[in-house]
Amino acid sequence: DVVVTQTPLSLPVSFGDQVSISCRSSQSLANSYGNTYLSWYLHKPGQSPQLLIYGISNRFSGVPDRFSGSGSGTDFTLKISTIKPEDLGMYYCLQGTHQYTFGGGTKLEIK
Amino acid sequence: DVQLQESGPGLVKPSQSLSLTCTVTGYSITSDYAWNWIRQFPGNKLEWMGYISYSGSTSYNPSLKSRISITRDTSKNQFFLQLNSVTTEDTATYYCARRGGMTTAYLAMDYWGQGTSVTVSS
Repeated sequence: DVVVTQTPLSLPVSFGDQVSISCRSSQSLANSYGNTYLSWYLHKPGQSPQLLIYGISNRFSGVPDRFSGSGSGTDFTLKISTIKPEDLGMYYCLQGTHQYTFGGGTKLEIK
Repeated sequence: DVQLQESGPGLVKPSQSLSLTCTVTGYSITSDYAWNWIRQFPGNKLEWMGYISYSGSTSYNPSLKSRISITRDTSKNQFFLQLNSVTTEDTATYYCARRGGMTTAYLAMDYWGQGTSVTVSS
């Protein structure tokens, strides 16, 4: 089974900060065709999770450009620049190359 | 706009079956994509449970394979989750979600329902 490890568990921030969240998998997420199915989500309390980034680095429709994704193989990063109040919540990565496995989540909260 | 809405009992007794419905509006579940069930445990861990594709094929999380069944009613544009022999460890919020296409979402979960809380308790 693919294990996906997200760090940090908690990320205290101030508005305007830039932060990074790491997502590491126990095996490469690139399939035999070179496709990597790694996506990022934001889950706010009382709402459904929302897709931010798909295919490592592609912003989903309506997602602000302060969100960016990068990485390859087993190491991936979500970067958020100029944090705003609406960015607070739980962030998850999801690998879809080997069935589906979520990372454990990172809580973005105010300092 | 695509919308998904979960429904079903909020309380299930141990050893019984959990049955949930996902009603989809704004898109036909037989046109394309895969239609998923995902759950979130207390403590926030997310687990993918399985999907039914637009063609009716299914794929399940191996950890649940002996207990889970996902079916659909195409006339009502609904798909269903049945989880058998539940225990207290199946207490969670259950979400249905659409897995998007290669060009629009690279197989990510692009639309989600609001979730429904299910407690397993006697």
